[in-house]
Amino acid sequence: SQQGEEDPQALSIQEGENATMNCSYKTSINNLQWYRQNSGRGLVHLILIRSNEREKHSGRLRVTLDTSKKSSSLLITASRAADTASYFCATDAVVDYKLSFGAGTTVTVRA
Amino acid sequence: EPEVTQTPSHQVTQMGQEVILRCVPISNHLYFYWYRQILGQKVEFLVSFYNNEISEKSEIFDDQFSVERPDGSNFTLKIRSTKLEDSAMYFCASGSQGVGNTIYFGEGSWLTVV
Repeated sequence: SQQGEEDPQALSIQEGENATMNCSYKTSINNLQWYRQNSGRGLVHLILIRSNEREKHSGRLRVTLDTSKKSSSLLITASRAADTASYFCATDAVVDYKLSFGAGTTVTVRA
Repeated sequence: EPEVTQTPSHQVTQMGQEVILRCVPISNHLYFYWYRQILGQKVEFLVSFYNNEISEKSEIFDDQFSVERPDGSNFTLKIRSTKLEDSAMYFCASGSQGVGNTIYFGEGSWLTVV
């Protein structure tokens, strides 16, 4: 299985602080994507980073990818209460038609 | 902004009953998927669908499951004879260019089998 595994499982921070979560995976990938899920809701796509990219930014989000270590990180800067959610990384390989999701990191931002 | 829509949002069904979950993918998308998430667990791939046929399916997607694109706009997941362990949130997703590009998920259909 090439499923990503997020670390930590849970994270609690104060509003305004940065939140960093990591994802590790097992096999070579084409791309890695990060999704957000508010409690009981659908998956919202945040950012996609391709295997030949090392860093990508989108607003307050910064994603890095280290294919040599088979890991990625998601940084949320200047967190807000609305960032409270679970964050998942999802990977895909060249021959797959599916995304493999990790177990997620639950982020709680305290006001 | 276009979105994937799913119905019903929540369904309670008796064990052994058939269930059909419906999805309307984003209109110009060609790749369709079903995933599920058992409460508190990972999001799991069920099936992908392209060009009116299944591209890939997981071990979960056994003979009790089927998918159909009956009319060019809807994409359905049928569970023939539900089991208690089928209780989960089922997500439909679609993409314009297949995996490797962004896939957009619906809000999910929460299925409770009693």
